[in-house]
Amino acid sequence: GQQLNQSPQSMFIQEGEDVSMNCTSSSIFNTWLWYKQDPGEGPVLLIALYKAGELTSNGRLTAQFGITRKDSFLNISASIPSDVGIYFCAGQLSGNTPLVFGKGTRLSVIA
Amino acid sequence: NAGVTQTPKFRVLKTGQSMTLLCAQDMNHEYMYWYRQDPGMGLRLIHYSVGEGTTAKGEVPDGYNVSRLKKQNFLLGLESAAPSQTSVYFCASRLGTGPYEQYFGPGTRLTVT
Repeated sequence: GQQLNQSPQSMFIQEGEDVSMNCTSSSIFNTWLWYKQDPGEGPVLLIALYKAGELTSNGRLTAQFGITRKDSFLNISASIPSDVGIYFCAGQLSGNTPLVFGKGTRLSVIA
Repeated sequence: NAGVTQTPKFRVLKTGQSMTLLCAQDMNHEYMYWYRQDPGMGLRLIHYSVGEGTTAKGEVPDGYNVSRLKKQNFLLGLESAAPSQTSVYFCASRLGTGPYEQYFGPGTRLTVT
């Protein structure tokens, strides 16, 4: 089946630094979603992207839908301790097909 | 508006026992999903439903059954639990049309000994 490669797997950063992570696919998607999961909780939707080339922000978070439709990027600016968690990308080809999830990027923020 | 809720939060089973996990949503969503999450494996789809009375297999359906008798509920059953089914189980739902955003429940942590 389809697979998403999410990188990096994990990252340790200093508080205040910017963070970048990405997701790539061997096939195209028409929707990209980014989720964050706090320890012991379910994933929470951060940003949804529906159009190739689209750049969308949610506070300090910015995500982009790659123009090839095979990748997406998430940036977090000026990281804070509560940014700690696992970030998942998910792609969807159409409304009738299930989401395909990446394996996640585990973010640790050092104060 | 509680969103997506899951019952129970935690459960310990012995090998061979059966149990049912309940997912409920109050958002009038058409689509519902069951995932399992294991360390390093991300979220893997077990079964899903595109409407009341319908179900379909996902990536890892073996050992599980599901039912969607009411639109707001999606049940996940384990007929004969195995240690390999030790995992955290998440339910999710979304509208059938329009935005494809999917919303998750808080999870059920299941241990099979």
